[in-house]
Amino acid sequence: AQRVTQPEKLLSVFKGAPVELKCNYSYSGSPELFWYVQYSRQRLQLLLRHISRESIKGFTADLNKGETSFHLKKPFAQEEDSAMYYCALSGMGSNYKLTFGKGTLLTVNP
Amino acid sequence: GAVVSQHPSRVICKSGTSVKIECRSLDFQATTMFWYRQFPKQSLMLMATSNEGSKATYEQGVEKDKFLINHASLTLSTLTVTSAHPEDSSFYICSASKGDLEAFFGQGTRLTVV
Repeated sequence: AQRVTQPEKLLSVFKGAPVELKCNYSYSGSPELFWYVQYSRQRLQLLLRHISRESIKGFTADLNKGETSFHLKKPFAQEEDSAMYYCALSGMGSNYKLTFGKGTLLTVNP
Repeated sequence: GAVVSQHPSRVICKSGTSVKIECRSLDFQATTMFWYRQFPKQSLMLMATSNEGSKATYEQGVEKDKFLINHASLTLSTLTVTSAHPEDSSFYICSASKGDLEAFFGQGTRLTVV
């Protein structure tokens, strides 16, 4: 079975502060990990995926297989980063079927 | 970018009636579409995987006779909630994949059964 755990429901930081949204996963094979973001009144959209190893809007995430984690980080949070963030996992050969974590609501205060 | 459109965005129906939700990929062909359900302040729960031209694959605990899924073409999948009851009230979201490890999401449909 595959599972994604986001331990923090809410996370509040001040503008300019570093932010880290935690994500741990459970999967017996080699997973594909993603971060999705949902801004207020908008649809869910892909933020980044581990296989592309890219930085989007200043966010990065490194897959740590030893710790089974895929934490999302940004060194300097901006107010426009306030949103709901979901970590998701897709198992190899699962045809992109995603298992989502419960999400973390990030609020960046001025 | 790829666009997925759901219709309607909101629907209210009477208990006992059926309601159909459409999910369309507007600018790409989606061999696979997914249907999720999201309860208030909770995560997205996968209901079923819809493959064009074949029967949908339902997740454990999801009643296939209750939630009918049809994927008649590469750009359209429909979810029909049959004999709806108030407990079926929820936010239903579809996503579509064009085969490059990215899923594109619709805007969701808020179903309220009264």
